[in-house]
Amino acid sequence: NAGVTQTPKFQVLKTGQSMTLQCAQDMNHNSMYWYRQDPGMGLRLIYYSASEGTTDKGEVPNGYNVSRLNKREFSLRLESAAPSQTSVYFCASTITLQVNTEAFFGQGTRLTVV
Amino acid sequence: QKEVEQDPGPLSVPEGAIVSLNCTYSNSAFQYFMWYRQYSRKGPELLMYTYSSGNKEDGRFTAQVDKSSKYISLFIRDSQPSDSATYLCACTLGTGGFKTIFGAGTRLFVKA
Repeated sequence: NAGVTQTPKFQVLKTGQSMTLQCAQDMNHNSMYWYRQDPGMGLRLIYYSASEGTTDKGEVPNGYNVSRLNKREFSLRLESAAPSQTSVYFCASTITLQVNTEAFFGQGTRLTVV
Repeated sequence: QKEVEQDPGPLSVPEGAIVSLNCTYSNSAFQYFMWYRQYSRKGPELLMYTYSSGNKEDGRFTAQVDKSSKYISLFIRDSQPSDSATYLCACTLGTGGFKTIFGAGTRLFVKA
């Protein structure tokens, strides 16, 4: 029972490089999310997808793009990485976008941009 | 000012102590309140959620919401070393679109 799986777990990028963070869930959830977690800032929402075929900006979308590839997969792309994007990135999913549903998180991707 | 404020700690207590973790929030439109536990190098996992004001109990954990003072609390009774983790509060709008704001998290150490 994998839940939410993120790849890679660790990544070091040089400024200006691009990369895609992958996320897949096997719980048949409709809604998926990308957060970043920084010391003293808590989790901040980057983008979310209420259902397959839709995506919306969250609190901190600048510098990122997302793709909801299918119901299972939701990827996050950094087109030109900057040191300010050094963070731990978490993917999460919920059954629906309803506010009282439990969010299941992946184990995170630790990204360092040098 | 952040919409959800949480003391980052760390908070260190002896095993068996009662732990009180707290958050304050500024947006009166928040109606759902959650506590997540996050172990080191892991993703957060939901502990409890409450709707509006009141208390909710689950084993050794009690969540309390006071909407009049915009204050939410998590109490842990008979704390165990396995409770050592970071605890994040989260507040969510009931209507008007998707918005969940997380606190920065309080790091808790329970010493055996």
